[in-house]
Amino acid sequence: NAGVTQTPKFQVLKTGQSMTLQCAQDMNHEYMSWYRQDPGMGLRLIHYSVGAGITDQGEVPNGYNVSRSTTEDFPLRLLSAAPSQTSVYFCASSYSFRLAKNIQYFGAGTRLSVL
Amino acid sequence: AQSVSQHNHHVILSEAASLELGCNYSYGGTVNLFWYVQYPGQHLQLLLKYFSGDPLVKGIKGFEAEFIKSKFSFNLRKPSVQWSDTAEYFCAVAGAGNTGKLIFGQGTTLQVKP
Repeated sequence: NAGVTQTPKFQVLKTGQSMTLQCAQDMNHEYMSWYRQDPGMGLRLIHYSVGAGITDQGEVPNGYNVSRSTTEDFPLRLLSAAPSQTSVYFCASSYSFRLAKNIQYFGAGTRLSVL
Repeated sequence: AQSVSQHNHHVILSEAASLELGCNYSYGGTVNLFWYVQYPGQHLQLLLKYFSGDPLVKGIKGFEAEFIKSKFSFNLRKPSVQWSDTAEYFCAVAGAGNTGKLIFGQGTTLQVKP
């Protein structure tokens, strides 16, 4: 199993450009989520999904869109990139949305710079 | 609102020194607690977790953590650190009944000098 796969690993965008960060998992996990990691702020939840066709907002959803058309994939879209979105983005998945007793598995991250 | 606070942002130790990283949380209910580690250039990995039972939990690589309910704390410890423990450490909390909200602390960068 590959686990949680994120692409690309690095990306540089200009302000106003759009792009999609890809996330795929091959563990048949029900729950998937996106976090951003910024220095001194830990990881903050952007959006999450408890199953195909279901998404919801996390702590910092503004400027990001998601969809979950399949169990395996959970892309994160930036419609109009801003310098404030410069960050490292992590995708994570878990067997069940009942996170209380389920471990989240993380991808390797995407380092995004917006100029 | 739920929150997690890690007191030490940057810790520098020499090899063989003992480690304790503080973690306090704010949550009005039963919680499940995690410590994740991120080695340089790698993704987050689970170090250890507490769901219930013995408040002293042991994880990988000789790490352990103690849940003290009265202090809302879940401190991470290791008796003797190694250079390979250089990494960023994150404490995280999930409410026992929540769906989808794992709250992370700010992280602690540990630098171990050989």
